[in-house]
Amino acid sequence: AQSVTQLGSHVSVSEGALVLLRCNYSSSVPPYLFWYVQYPNQGLQLLLKYTTGATLVKGINGFEAEFKKSETSFHLTKPSAHMSDAAEYFCAVSDTGGGNKLTFGTGTQLKVEL
Amino acid sequence: GAVVSQHPSRVICKSGTSVKIECRSLDFQATTMFWYRQFPKKSLMLMATSNEGSKATYEQGVEKDKFLINHASLTLSTLTVTSAHPEDSSFYICSARAVTPNEQFFGPGTRLTVL
Repeated sequence: AQSVTQLGSHVSVSEGALVLLRCNYSSSVPPYLFWYVQYPNQGLQLLLKYTTGATLVKGINGFEAEFKKSETSFHLTKPSAHMSDAAEYFCAVSDTGGGNKLTFGTGTQLKVEL
Repeated sequence: GAVVSQHPSRVICKSGTSVKIECRSLDFQATTMFWYRQFPKKSLMLMATSNEGSKATYEQGVEKDKFLINHASLTLSTLTVTSAHPEDSSFYICSARAVTPNEQFFGPGTRLTVL
């Protein structure tokens, strides 16, 4: 069975500050890892994904995440927060790729303050 | 590209009635669609996997007779909540799987409120 833990249901940062959203996973097989963003009343949009290869993954809107197998983590970062980054962020894991069953974390609401 | 729509976006119904939610892939064909349920401050929980032309595969604990899923074409899947009760009130989200890339594209969700 797979699981995802997102530490911090709410994170607040100042505009221009570093964004760090934490995600730890549990998987019995090499995982596929994903970060999705959900804006109010909208569906989920894929930010980035890790499948194989390079452990530092770059996504859209300046976000990136690093797969650390030893720590079973896949934290999401962005060097400088923008007001438009305020949204709900979900980490997800799959054992067979993004087109198949995804197990989601409980989400982190990011608030960006002036 | 890769747009998925859901209809309706919001629905309010009386207890005991049935509600149908549509999920459409607008610009690609999807042999597989997924239905999720999202509770407040909770993650998305996969309810079922819908394959075009065959019966849906339900996750453990999901009542298949209550949540009827039909995937009659490569662009449309429907979820019918039968004899809805207040505890069925939730946010229902569908996704559609594209062949290339191997990725799910999510719809905007449907807010169901059962009175």
